[in-house]
Amino acid sequence: QKEVEQDPGPLSVPEGAIVSLNCTYSNSAFQYFMWYRQYSRKGPELLMYTYSSGNKEDGRFTAQVDKSSKYISLFIRDSQPSDSATYLCAMNKQGGSEKLVFGKGTKLTVNP
Amino acid sequence: KAGVTQTPRYLIKTRGQQVTLSCSPISGHRSVSWYQQTPGQGLQFLFEYFSETQRNKGNFPGRFSGRQFSNSRSEMNVSTLELGDSALYLCASSSDWAANEQFFGPGTRLTVL
Repeated sequence: QKEVEQDPGPLSVPEGAIVSLNCTYSNSAFQYFMWYRQYSRKGPELLMYTYSSGNKEDGRFTAQVDKSSKYISLFIRDSQPSDSATYLCAMNKQGGSEKLVFGKGTKLTVNP
Repeated sequence: KAGVTQTPRYLIKTRGQQVTLSCSPISGHRSVSWYQQTPGQGLQFLFEYFSETQRNKGNFPGRFSGRQFSNSRSEMNVSTLELGDSALYLCASSSDWAANEQFFGPGTRLTVL
């Protein structure tokens, strides 16, 4: 079993929809959780960063962490065509520069 | 502030050759990490350097090596290339005070024929 599982999609939604992206993980030691967005032919870009359980909101993006279920989510409200990208979850145990363990990414397309 | 830069952006090599990739971190960032991204395995951590010392290492064979210079620029080297080494190689840098916020470069696309 991989440490981090993420449905690769692809996921296609109409503009304005609420998008839900999810990852599950097996290692209960993970405490730091991140979401990255990667456009085609670009490097990943950090979107959201959370520590331990709870919610964090930033504009149209909300990250949720449920450590009891080993489940993290990223919600995108009022999705835009510019949100079309691959979304990767990542996590590590100790924070700092300890290696990140990534999900394989979910490819999202938002149709105008 | 300039972002992370990687050179070259594209590279084609044949099996058995070796290759060196270069990464210049964001000014002031001392930590540089390298990742390999493939469709099958996703993003996998190779190694991390901080102040010219390798601080963390992933589960890759010894053919993959790296180094960091005093100006924080980093290189990674892959010797005796195999077809399976074809991938996007990504470099990320982070600051001392926000070490978990890694900023990625655009990557080097390596194709091994």
